[in-house]
Amino acid sequence: GAVVSQHPSWVICKSGTSVKIECRSLDFQATTMFWYRQFPKQSLMLMATSNEGSKATYEQGVEKDKFLINHASLTLSTLTVTSAHPEDSSFYICSAQGGLGYEQYFGPGTRLTVT
Amino acid sequence: RKEVEQDPGPFNVPEGATVAFNCTYSNSASQSFFWYRQDCRKEPKLLMSVYSSGNEDGRFTAQLNRASQYISLLIRDSKLSDSATYLCVLNYGGSQGNLIFGKGTKLSVKP
Repeated sequence: GAVVSQHPSWVICKSGTSVKIECRSLDFQATTMFWYRQFPKQSLMLMATSNEGSKATYEQGVEKDKFLINHASLTLSTLTVTSAHPEDSSFYICSAQGGLGYEQYFGPGTRLTVT
Repeated sequence: RKEVEQDPGPFNVPEGATVAFNCTYSNSASQSFFWYRQDCRKEPKLLMSVYSSGNEDGRFTAQLNRASQYISLLIRDSKLSDSATYLCVLNYGGSQGNLIFGKGTKLSVKP
């Protein structure tokens, strides 16, 4: 149980384009989903927290107009990186939280490379 | 001072060795503590939660010292498959999660 999928697993895009990443909880309903980013040899950094049906809460320093988050259902959240730049190249990981506990279940991550 | 500090390693140990990692945290309001493992280019996976009374899961033992604000992970009888980066993680409680990750300690178990 508690499986989270992400799609795509990797993507290469050109500077200026937008990329959408999907995060799905496959066998449970996720009341809260989190989006993290990890640069090489760095720790995971929380970007934003989203609850189904409401606006995401962004961490300080994360541009909400650049990283659009939609949590339209209890099993799906999407992160759209708009007008991507090479410095946005990173490993993006989502996690989902649901049920009775506070445990977070992580997706396999999406490796984004912007050329 | 960083919220979560870990020795980045790498710790290179032979199979069968016992190895211990420590992690210190700065915010005494931290409520929950975890050890995650992360394999290269993969997502983190929960290894174990850390309780005040200490807890053991097979070859893994975790300890929490709130007074000194550190947690530890002991791995006995290391296996090659234990090679990974071990992340010290905490949160401040509440329903929002707010996990704070350390940078991790890299372990390499050699034959």
